[in-house]
Amino acid sequence: GAVVSQHPSRVICKSGTSVKIECRSLDFQATTMFWYRQFPKQSLMLMATSNEGSKATYEQGVEKDKFLINHASLTLSTLTVTSAHPEDSSFYICSAGGRGKIYEQYFGPGTRLTVT
Amino acid sequence: AQTVTQSQPEMSVQEAETVTLSCTYDTSESNYYLFWYKQPPSRQMILVIRQEAYKQQNATENRFSVNFQKAAKSFSLKISDSQLGDTAMYFCAFLNYGGSQGNLIFGKGTKLSVKP
Repeated sequence: GAVVSQHPSRVICKSGTSVKIECRSLDFQATTMFWYRQFPKQSLMLMATSNEGSKATYEQGVEKDKFLINHASLTLSTLTVTSAHPEDSSFYICSAGGRGKIYEQYFGPGTRLTVT
Repeated sequence: AQTVTQSQPEMSVQEAETVTLSCTYDTSESNYYLFWYKQPPSRQMILVIRQEAYKQQNATENRFSVNFQKAAKSFSLKISDSQLGDTAMYFCAFLNYGGSQGNLIFGKGTKLSVKP
């Protein structure tokens, strides 16, 4: 149990376009989902925390108008990178929690975004 | 604010040998969790081991064990009988559960190579 999927696994888009990444908890209800960004050979940096049905909480320095997060249901959260630029190219990872234990967090396999 | 420091960017070990990865953290909180995550080349984050701060007993999971020194704020990971499949990035992470939504704070990681 406790599987989290991400779609797509890889995406290439042109500069100026928007791209949506989906994060789904497949076999449990995730009241909280987290979005991380990981640059090559670096650690995971939390971008935002989203709770189902409410606005996401963004970390300092993360542009909320650029990285739109929607947690519309207990099994789906989406991250939309708007007006993407090459510097947005990165590996985006989501994780899901909310099975009752705050220390239980399950990671998706990640999405590699390349902006050309 | 909490910080997590991993002072070993890279380490290598011979197959079947034992290796210890270091992690220190800084916090003024008394209730928290510490984790070691593994990120293999697939980039899927995998939980290796978890330690509750209120437990004095060191956590163990098969070949993986920790040395948790709360006063020193140290949390090292020992891998015994290293296997080729242990080759990965290892991240130490902190979670404060007092009033937290569950967002993890990661160290910069240690790249472990297991050599045949």
